[in-house]
This record gives sequence, C-alpha cells and structure tokens, in this order.
Amino acid sequence: AQSVTQLGSHVSVSEGALVLLRCNYSSSVPPYLFWYVQYPNQGLQLLLKYTTGATLVKGINGFEAEFKKSETSFHLTKPSAHMSDAAEYFCAVRETAGNKLTFGGGTRVLVKP
Amino acid sequence: NAGVMQNPRHLVRRRGQEARLRCSPMKGHSHVYWYRQLPEEGLKFMVYLQKENIIDESGMPKERFSAEFPKEGPSILRIQQVVRGDSAAYFCASSPTTDFNEQFFGPGTRLTVL
Repeated sequence: AQSVTQLGSHVSVSEGALVLLRCNYSSSVPPYLFWYVQYPNQGLQLLLKYTTGATLVKGINGFEAEFKKSETSFHLTKPSAHMSDAAEYFCAVRETAGNKLTFGGGTRVLVKP
Repeated sequence: NAGVMQNPRHLVRRRGQEARLRCSPMKGHSHVYWYRQLPEEGLKFMVYLQKENIIDESGMPKERFSAEFPKEGPSILRIQQVVRGDSAAYFCASSPTTDFNEQFFGPGTRLTVL
C-alpha cells in the first residue's frame, strides 16, 4: 500500500527564514504529488501539484516543491516565511491508476516574529 | 462558482445516536470523496462515489458506516450508533472527472461524540 512520510510533525521558523517541509512517498511508480495547506478549523487548500513535466513546481503564496524520483521525495520550500504561513501542511499522493489520495501525517508550521 | 459545501459544520451526538453528514460537490463535479481526520493525524480516505454508485469503499469501517450519492441531492455519510472513537473531522472533496488531478475540499464537519 502507498504510504507518505512527513518528517517532523512540528516546525518552527522565524519570520523571513527559509521554510522546508519534507515529504517522502513509497510508490515505485511515480505518482501524482500534492501539497495542501490547512488553516485552523478550515478545509484543505491546494498549494501545488506535480503530475508530469518539469520537476520543480511553483505554487501559490510563494511556495515551490521539487519532485526527485531517485529520492522518492517531494519537499516543499518557501524562501522567506511570513506570519500568515502558520498552518498545517499535508503532502499527498495519488496513484496514476487510482483516485484516492493518501496523505502524510501533516506538519504544523509555527512562524515566530 | 460556489465551492464544496458541507453541513453541518459542527455536529454533537451522544453515544448510540446516528450522525448524518452532507456534502454538496462543486457545480459540474460528479465525483465525491470522503476523508476522515482523527485528532493530531492526517486525512484517511474512506470512500469514493459517483452519482448513484460506490466506486471504492476500501477505507470505510466494516460496520456502522455507509455512504451514498443519489441522483439528486447531496452525498450523505451516515454513521449509526456512534461511539467516542468516531469523533473526528470529516472532509468531503469533489472532482469533475477521474482524469482531473485535483480534488477540491470542503470545510469539513467536526463530529463530537459525548
């Protein structure tokens, strides 16, 4: 079965510092990859996705992620954290032949002034 | 274009009661997915439905849980005889087709079982 691992359930960064959230998946066949953000008591909003093509994907709010097949990773980065980035972030994969999303455990980001 | 609608947003039930959670997909979307988020955990897939059909229910608990997506009206996730362990946030997502890669999520229903 597909699995997704997010290293670090909590990350604390200073405002203006780099944000790096790690995601590794288990599939031997490159799946579709997603990052979602969840603000308190809200649903999930898509930040970015990788399906095919360029392995560096740019998303909303200045986030980007790079698909590395050799490392089975899809880490999320943002060069400079903003207070509004405080939220929980979920990495998810969808097998190309299936429909359901498999989510990682989530990483809660705290931004310090 | 309204997003995915879920109601109620918050639901409180006592043990043994029934919970009914509703999901109206985005306009034009005929595929609905239900996910459950237990406290301090990620989302777990429960069921995938198209109009009048259950396509994949591999994530549904074997007992007490059922889902439907009728020809008319919202998708319903029904939990019978709720227990404290059912307390969670239940999210619905929709997509227009299976070829479309993105699922659009609703705000969720937070179920509390007393």
